[in-house]
Amino acid sequence: DVKVTQSSRYLVKRTGEKVFLECVQDMDHENMFWYRQDPGLGLRLIYFSYDVKMKEKGDIPEGYSVSREKKERFSLILESASTNQTSMYLCASSPTNRGDYEQYFGPGTRLTVT
Amino acid sequence: GQSLEQPSEVTAVEGAIVQINCTYQTSGFYGLSWYQQHDGGAPTFLSYNALDGLEETGRFSSFLSRSDSYGYLLLQELQMKDSASYFCAANTDKLIFGTGTRLQVFP
Repeated sequence: DVKVTQSSRYLVKRTGEKVFLECVQDMDHENMFWYRQDPGLGLRLIYFSYDVKMKEKGDIPEGYSVSREKKERFSLILESASTNQTSMYLCASSPTNRGDYEQYFGPGTRLTVT
Repeated sequence: GQSLEQPSEVTAVEGAIVQINCTYQTSGFYGLSWYQQHDGGAPTFLSYNALDGLEETGRFSSFLSRSDSYGYLLLQELQMKDSASYFCAANTDKLIFGTGTRLQVFP
């Protein structure tokens, strides 16, 4: 079974803090994704990566950055957390990004910024 | 812009059939996927349609019409455990998700 793990299920941070969310997948997938999920807005793509050291902006990259130093690990960084970044963050991976592919999701990190 | 529209909420009773519709407007479209998400859980893959027509997987079926930019998920013999949110997603070089349909199944 594909396994995608995220470093924390719940996280509380203060405004202005630098926040790291870690994601690890164990299936040697090329592609990794970070989403945020908010009520009524569905899943919105923040950043994605097709390969090590490669990153692409998604639909809402402002206020975030990412790092992919190893194939299995994809980190999301909030440079200076703000209250409007309080959300559920979901990491996903997939073996390809063409045609028929399934994304495998981690359990999510619920981040609260106070 | 790229977008997918689906109803926000659907209710049904156990044993019934429910259809969740999805219309999409995207470029670079490969096919339409469906994901299920229970409260507090991660989205999990249900089905994928690349070609027009109906794909059946047990109690769930999914349909795609490329000419109409439309698809649906059909859930039969509803069970209480089917209460969840269902997302359609367009497979392009990334997944573009709809805003989700919350299905409530009542006894």
